[in-house]
Amino acid sequence: SYVLTQPPSVSVAPGKTARITCGGNNIGGKTVHWYQQKPGQAPVLVISYDTDRPSEIPERFSGSNSGNTAALTISRVEAGDEADYYCQVWDSNINHPIFGGGTKLTVL
Amino acid sequence: QVQLVESGGGLVKPGGSLRLSCAASGFIFSDYYMIWIRQAPGKGPEWVSYIGYSDTSTYYADSVKGRVTISRDNAKNSLFLQMNSLRVADTAIYFCATLPNGGGGPIESWGQGTLVTVSS
Repeated sequence: SYVLTQPPSVSVAPGKTARITCGGNNIGGKTVHWYQQKPGQAPVLVISYDTDRPSEIPERFSGSNSGNTAALTISRVEAGDEADYYCQVWDSNINHPIFGGGTKLTVL
Repeated sequence: QVQLVESGGGLVKPGGSLRLSCAASGFIFSDYYMIWIRQAPGKGPEWVSYIGYSDTSTYYADSVKGRVTISRDNAKNSLFLQMNSLRVADTAIYFCATLPNGGGGPIESWGQGTLVTVSS
């Protein structure tokens, strides 16, 4: 079945830009959703349909998707952005959601 | 404001059963597909099952197929997950969530989850 690959961890200094990637075979042909999960909390949707940001999510969060890589970019990173981030697509062949393994974002 | 409150989790022995419930409010429940997702300790989310607008469209992960039944009561704004023949590997937090655009769309709103522990 389709596999999504994320780096286990990304570290960034406050105020800098973090880029979290999600790799998959021709993932640019699929629609990618991104979730943020802080310890002890449920995941929160931060980007849908590759680039759409829910109204309650800061503009600092953006998404892109092309070729074999999708990415979540967080600008002007804050301490409160420290969390696990998961990408997700739907497997169109068997119609179910697939999650990446997750990336732990550490704010230095 | 969408609110999803799960209940029914607990400690159960291997081979046992549990029925999870999810009480929904703040949106028109019958207009949404709904999904159960679980997360084992230290692991990422894994889909378990999702359901269309009624009980006629249901989908199950291979890992639970034949042991789990999803259902909904639109009159009571409630989602259910009947889990039988539970295994140690089923230990996880179980979240219910909304699929406003059905299969293919984002998993938009999540409950806080209910913990299922399968252990002898």
